[in-house]
Amino acid sequence: DAKTTQPTSMDCAEGRAANLPCNHSTISGNEYVYWYRQIHSQGPQYIIHGLKNNETNEMASLIITEDRKSSTLILPHATLRDTAVYYCIVRANTGTASKLTFGTGTRLQVTL
Amino acid sequence: NAGVMQNPRHLVRRRGQEARLRCSPMKGHSHVYWYRQLPEEGLKFMVYLQKENIIDESGMPKERFSAEFPKEGPSILRIQQVVRGDSAAYFCASSGQGEAFFGQGTRLTVV
Repeated sequence: DAKTTQPTSMDCAEGRAANLPCNHSTISGNEYVYWYRQIHSQGPQYIIHGLKNNETNEMASLIITEDRKSSTLILPHATLRDTAVYYCIVRANTGTASKLTFGTGTRLQVTL
Repeated sequence: NAGVMQNPRHLVRRRGQEARLRCSPMKGHSHVYWYRQLPEEGLKFMVYLQKENIIDESGMPKERFSAEFPKEGPSILRIQQVVRGDSAAYFCASSGQGEAFFGQGTRLTVV
């Protein structure tokens, strides 16, 4: 699976949009971009994933550049409960499930 | 549809004892993954199983650790002769062909 690069930490004011970048310049054509987060020491929580089109769900939006070498996770109105470590993961989809390889992620701190 | 269920949530073992961690995947999921998270560290992949088969065990320590996912029942991660360094949070995830969902983990403390 391709490696990803994320900033170590970011701050965001409550109520503002949190934009978390991820670089995955070696991504292959059949690899998806997944985002998970881990709040404190809880189990990782799935947020969103995409292949090449932008995606949106009730939690977040995912913007993938046209060349697919980078993406941005957007939390439109961050709250204190969004404070967590956010992981960007590239995962092959070859018709069978494959493992997720976690990097160090971005520690997002949402402040008042 | 219940999520991924792990039990016990907390487990205390003395050095040299065995630890058994259970993971019941989400309904309809046939893929299970185990991860370990040491204190203040990231999530490390251990093993990936499908029903009755180990697909990828590249992250499993060579000794004392084993995993199974039988045709019936939960997946089991077994740690024999535990040592203090095994103290960690162990997370299980399950998936079908798409996204994986995680349980809340088992926190193992070896005393």
